[in-house]
Amino acid sequence: EVQLVESGGGLVQPGGSLRLSCAASGFTFSSYWMSWVRQAPGKGLEWVANIKQDGSEKYYVDSVKGRFTISRDNAKNSLYLQMNSLRAEDTAVYYCARDVDQGNDYWGQGTLVTVSS
Amino acid sequence: DIVMTQSPDSLAVSLGERATINCKSSQSVLYSSNNKNYLAWYQQKPGQPPKLLIYWASTRESGVPDRFSGSGSGTDFTLTISSLQAEDVAVYYCQQYYSTPYMYSFGQGTKLEIK
Repeated sequence: EVQLVESGGGLVQPGGSLRLSCAASGFTFSSYWMSWVRQAPGKGLEWVANIKQDGSEKYYVDSVKGRFTISRDNAKNSLYLQMNSLRAEDTAVYYCARDVDQGNDYWGQGTLVTVSS
Repeated sequence: DIVMTQSPDSLAVSLGERATINCKSSQSVLYSSNNKNYLAWYQQKPGQPPKLLIYWASTRESGVPDRFSGSGSGTDFTLTISSLQAEDVAVYYCQQYYSTPYMYSFGQGTKLEIK
């Protein structure tokens, strides 16, 4: 059974940093692109970033470029999102999701990041 | 960047009636080399992550009831629920995964309720 479990969310002050993790199981993690998608409270979905199987290609939505870094460790079946210079507008539930040719077929339950003083 | 726009923002339909949600992309998501539309639909219920319903614009994901169907090509797409059930109350999103490099984007969502 495919499972994606996010962790690392919490309350952080504006300008602070946080590192999210996503533990994957039930599939060959190293064979898939992976994404982070976020959802602000009461709002819609926003794709944030994704990363190629070997980590050689990474793409970001404009609003997080230069502040967020996506990475992965295939030996640990883990996906990461390093978030720096956090802003109030980054407050959201962050989901990790598996990328396939058909879209995003598996999603985690999400981890909440709150940026507030 | 490809912008996805859904209509309406919210919709109330009686049980057993048809529900129709539209999605328009700012540029074509039809890939000419394989004639596939890189367009997916997701269902999200409160407190849950999104669930993939339909991909390639019209192919149902395994296990999705056949009352859900997708249609359209190029820039205009439709999600139809043929006979609304109580468990279909949710927010529905379209997503394009056509962009190169692989920068996906979602529509703003359509909230579906029972009338």
